[in-house]
Amino acid sequence: QKEVEQNSGPLSVPEGAIASLNCTYSDRGSQSFFWYRQYSGKSPELIMFIYSNGDKEDGRFTAQLNKASQYVSLLIRDSQPSDSATYLCAVPFSSNTGKLIFGQGTTLQVKP
Amino acid sequence: EAGVTQFPSHSVIEKGQTVTLRCDPISGHDNLYWYRRVMGKEIKFLLHFVKESKQDESGMPNNRFLAERTGGTYSTLKVQPAELEDSGVYFCASSQYGSQTQYFGPGTRLLVL
Repeated sequence: QKEVEQNSGPLSVPEGAIASLNCTYSDRGSQSFFWYRQYSGKSPELIMFIYSNGDKEDGRFTAQLNKASQYVSLLIRDSQPSDSATYLCAVPFSSNTGKLIFGQGTTLQVKP
Repeated sequence: EAGVTQFPSHSVIEKGQTVTLRCDPISGHDNLYWYRRVMGKEIKFLLHFVKESKQDESGMPNNRFLAERTGGTYSTLKVQPAELEDSGVYFCASSQYGSQTQYFGPGTRLLVL
């Protein structure tokens, strides 16, 4: 049973701080990792994906991947109240399928 | 470019009734996926179409669920007869052929009473 684990939170940070969201996965063979943001009642929106070990930066977002430890994290710098949402980590079931395995998501609250 | 659309946005039905959900993927996307999120749980995969063919239906809960994608464009997911445990949010997603990047629709919120 392939699993993706996230702390459901809520994670509360003050405006301007760095929010750190973590995700662990069970399948050591996983190659790609996706972070989706979901506002309440809305569709999941892809914000980052990462394939290689190390960091990938896109604006205020940085994804960090550590395949040896089987975790992937998402850092949000200069957090804004508009970043308040649920962040979902997703991993493809295998390299030749589009089937995504999702974590439960971490709810982030950024307080003004 | 229009995103993934789903209809209806909400549906409330009684146990034993039939409901049909519709998904229109992004134009040109060969891959179409159905997922479901029940209250308090993670989003779970139901099935995957490549054009009109079912590539993977390993997540379909049981034979009360029937998915179709005639002509390789829009897809329908029928639940017949609906049970209480079918309540949840049903998401559709699509992606281009060869891409793992999936774009999600707004979901259909199904409540079975």
